[in-house]
Order: sequence, then structure tokens, then C-alpha cells
Amino acid sequence: GAGVSQTPSNKVTEKGKYVELRCDPISGHTALYWYRQSLGQGPEFLIYFQGTGAADDSGLPNDRFFAVRPEGSVSTLKIQRTERGDSAVYLCASSRGTGSLNEQFFGPGTRLTVL
Amino acid sequence: AQKVTQAQTEISVVEKEDVTLDCVYETRDTTYYLFWYKQPPSGELVFLIRRNSFDEQNEISGRYSWNFQKSTSSFNFTITASQVVDSAVYFCALIGNEKLTFGTGTRLTIIP
Repeated sequence: GAGVSQTPSNKVTEKGKYVELRCDPISGHTALYWYRQSLGQGPEFLIYFQGTGAADDSGLPNDRFFAVRPEGSVSTLKIQRTERGDSAVYLCASSRGTGSLNEQFFGPGTRLTVL
Repeated sequence: AQKVTQAQTEISVVEKEDVTLDCVYETRDTTYYLFWYKQPPSGELVFLIRRNSFDEQNEISGRYSWNFQKSTSSFNFTITASQVVDSAVYFCALIGNEKLTFGTGTRLTIIP
């Protein structure tokens, strides 16, 4: 079956612009996670969804970042007024459910570059 | 707060040598899970292993083995008879409250 997919694979934008990053989880996975990986660092948690609701958004760095998952499947991470410091690889992961026994399967990521 | 430390930033070994990647963690949870992920140049994180804090038995999977020592809060990863395909960045991670906390990774280069 298909794994987690993310689009676009690369996004270049200018400072101040708005961007949307999309994640398609594995079919049937109820939990969805967003992480951000800066150059030379490990991924850092941003937000996770259980179904349609954001169960924990404590990792979002500020109110310019927002994510939705309206139908409990596809999720979109939205960044307003992008800044150069937002440049990173944004990773999405999904799992069958929540709980530590549920392995998180990662997508290939979207590389965001803010000029 | 949870923390994972991978002190080795980069390691290079000649093919067929054994190599150990170190991981030290901090958590206040009494029950937790530890993970290792591989990130090849393609960028996708590949799950390697998950370990329950109650199970301190070492685990071996082919050329890979893991040594979990609760007393020293370490979860080290050894690759025996390394191969060029093992070249990647390896991350150790800890899960708490559904969130994975990753270390900064160790870049492993296997020299042919």
C-alpha cells in the first residue's frame, strides 16, 4: 500500500508570503503528526491530530503556523507571513492510533526555502 | 521535559568494520519507549526499532544490535560488518505524550 505522501516536495517562496504544505497519511491511520527538521538537527514536534481535532499543538512556534485536518485524513500545514527562519524540511507522519505502541510512519518531507 | 543526546555528530568507518552509535536520554516517565530511525540521503525517516523501558534485553536483527541500559539511560546501536548502504543519518528518539523527541542525529559514512 501507499505510504505517507507530502506535496510539494520542494517549495521556494519569498519572505512574507503564505504557504500551504499538504500531507496524505496512510489510509486508515487516525493519528497524524507534523514535525520540522532544520539543517543538521533532528525533527522537532509541531502538532498532532487524532481524527479531525488537533490533540496537541504545543510545538507550533507561533501564531503564524496553523494546521487543519477537516475530514480526518489529509492535513494541511499553513504558514503565514513566512520568515527566513521558517526554512526547513517539514515532515508528516501517521499512525494507526495514538499510544506509544503505534509506530509513526514518516513521509518524504517538504523542503521549504524562504528567500 | 524529555531530552535525547547523540554526542557523536559524524562517524566514518571503513566498510566491514563494526560501529556503535551512542544515545543517552532523559525522561521523568516511568514507562517510555525508545526508537532508532535511519535517514538516508533521500530524506525519508525509516523506522529501525522500538524498545519498551521494561525490556532491557539486548536485541539483534541481522547486522544490527541494540544495547539498552536503564541504569545509564543509554540505548546504543551497533552495526556489525558495516556496508556502504548503511551510510545515513541515524536518529535516536524517545516518545512521551504521543510526541517523539529526537536527538540531533549521527551522520555515519561507510568508506568503501
